[in-house]
Amino acid sequence: EVQLVQSGAEVKKPGESLRISCKGSGYSFTNYWITWVRQMPGKGLEWMGRIDPSDSHTNYSPSFQGHVTISADKSIGTAYLQWSSLRASDTAMYHCARLIDSSGYYWGRWFDPWGQGTLVTVSS
Amino acid sequence: QSVLTQPPSASGTPGQRVTISCSGSSSNIGIKTVNWYQQLPGTAPKLLIYSNNQRPSGVPDRFSGSKSGASASLAISGLQSDDEADYYCATWDDSLNGPVFGGGTKLTV
Repeated sequence: EVQLVQSGAEVKKPGESLRISCKGSGYSFTNYWITWVRQMPGKGLEWMGRIDPSDSHTNYSPSFQGHVTISADKSIGTAYLQWSSLRASDTAMYHCARLIDSSGYYWGRWFDPWGQGTLVTVSS
Repeated sequence: QSVLTQPPSASGTPGQRVTISCSGSSSNIGIKTVNWYQQLPGTAPKLLIYSNNQRPSGVPDRFSGSKSGASASLAISGLQSDDEADYYCATWDDSLNGPVFGGGTKLTV
């Protein structure tokens, strides 16, 4: 079974650093980009960025560029989302997802599967 | 303000058919395929429809997708209480080199 398993919920103070993880299994981890999506409380989905685990090449949304770092360790099939200095406004659920990039008859790019989400709470 | 526009809410009674619209532009939906994700309460999003109208294995055929020009629609027939969820449309944006999502539609059954 293809699945992404994320690390557990975190409670942090403003200014602290944090790294959350997303471990893939059931497929060749280096063959698919991993993306991160933010969901603030009661709000919709916002794309943050993505990483190619084969060479750690990244793309970031301009909205998140410079505030977060996406990385991956292909030896253990795990992608990471990291903050060096958290803000209260970073309080959200963070989802990772595998990017399917199809050029076949049914073409396009979509996310499947998704991790279960990691809740990050930043509060003083 | 989301790039793709969805109605914030939709509702129906069991057995009914409902549709959820997703409006974009000639630079996103107009030239790319559309995907739909279902997010049941308290859970992660799940792929529901890909490449405009394809259902992943395990998704009932009560769910169908379509696209015309710069708009797309998700139809749910034979509505069930278990269908209560948030539904998001999405497509790829070449200038962003990433996806753009609709704001989501909360379906009440």
